[in-house]
Amino acid sequence: KQEVTQIPAALSVPEGENLVLNCSFTDSAIYNLQWFRQDPGKGLTSLLLIQSSQREQTSGRLNASLDKSSGRSTLYIAASQPGDSATYLCAVTGSARQLTFGSGTQLTVLP
Amino acid sequence: DVKVTQSSRYLVKRTGEKVFLECVQDMDHENMFWYRQDPGLGLRLIYFSYDVKMKEKGDIPEGYSVSREKKERFSLILESASTNQTSMYLCASSFTPGDTEAFFGQGTRLTVV
Repeated sequence: KQEVTQIPAALSVPEGENLVLNCSFTDSAIYNLQWFRQDPGKGLTSLLLIQSSQREQTSGRLNASLDKSSGRSTLYIAASQPGDSATYLCAVTGSARQLTFGSGTQLTVLP
Repeated sequence: DVKVTQSSRYLVKRTGEKVFLECVQDMDHENMFWYRQDPGLGLRLIYFSYDVKMKEKGDIPEGYSVSREKKERFSLILESASTNQTSMYLCASSFTPGDTEAFFGQGTRLTVV
């Protein structure tokens, strides 16, 4: 059964720092990996989707990489801002065609 | 933009009531999903559907059923609500299984008293 792990569980950084969030998965047979953002009490907002054949995707200050063979993905956030404070979740779609989620990284960016 | 809309943001129901959670998507997506999210347990898949009138059990289907009579609408039904079903419920949709981006609704916070 696919397992997804996110490290760290929580992260607090001063505004302006560049930061990296990590995601690992146990079964490399995936269709894609997706990064989401969740604000408290809200639904999930899709940030980036990386297909299994891709190595990275970029959107604005966000860059996500995927190393399928090693079962790892990273989300890089450049020049962090207080508005980036949220929980970040990664999810993989595997052979069962379902999203399996990690437990998330709670990010706080201090002004 | 894709829009996935859940009928309620907040619901309070009594134990034993039959509860309907509705989800509508406006992008002609084939796939729709229901998750629940609980602190310390993350997101867990309850049911999903790849087509009209089609449904598949997820990881935690007990106590729930679903209905998909039209492509755009996917309903989650709590047959007899219990306090352990107090949770955040999230609906999602995507175009093809595994190939495309999944989009989520705003969530329904259900409290069963």
